[in-house]
Amino acid sequence: QQPVQSPQAVILREGEDAVINCSSSKALYSVHWYRQKHGEAPVFLMILLKGGEQKGHDKISASFNEKKQQSSLYLTASQLSYSGTYFCGTGENTGNQFYFGTGTSLTVIP
Amino acid sequence: EAQVTQNPRYLITVTGKKLTVTCSQNMNHEYMSWYRQDPGLGLRQIYYSMNVEVTDKGDVPEGYKVSRKEKRNFPLILESPSPNQTSLYFCASSFTSTGSAKHFGDGTRLSIL
Repeated sequence: QQPVQSPQAVILREGEDAVINCSSSKALYSVHWYRQKHGEAPVFLMILLKGGEQKGHDKISASFNEKKQQSSLYLTASQLSYSGTYFCGTGENTGNQFYFGTGTSLTVIP
Repeated sequence: EAQVTQNPRYLITVTGKKLTVTCSQNMNHEYMSWYRQDPGLGLRQIYYSMNVEVTDKGDVPEGYKVSRKEKRNFPLILESPSPNQTSLYFCASSFTSTGSAKHFGDGTRLSIL
């Protein structure tokens, strides 16, 4: 089942923070986050495998609420290089299919 | 260098002319999959493969075929392409189906006239 992402688009000034949400109607085994720059392939950011897990590197972190079947990506003190489309991807507790959300376009302006 | 290689990068063709998009990975990954990306729809899974000779349908398999005769290769076949298959296609590989990072090829932009 394709997860739902919100917001669809966000524009930030450098240094501002953003949160992107991802929710599924199915019980989840894993949540992935990817960033795609225009004209390029998606690039892996991080994976969360346990309910309640939080991860991060640099100023990008994520949380996974297994009970609510939700994940959030946090971008802190955004930089111009953070611009792109962010996708969450979900693996469900049953089956081997993997689903991507419809994406969130993030634009950071000076 | 660890990579997923797709060919061709761009292809313009006509309705009904069979085509194959190749995908090869050098990371010994078990799981490989094909996605199509259309504006507003995100990435939708076409087919996936858990291992050699094991393939299964994703969300949008109609009009596509795949095969997995070797672990490293996972070609996508359009036997009779139609204009609604015009899209950006990505091949991806990973160690497991849902528990490990996916590595993507550079994409194939396919236009069917």
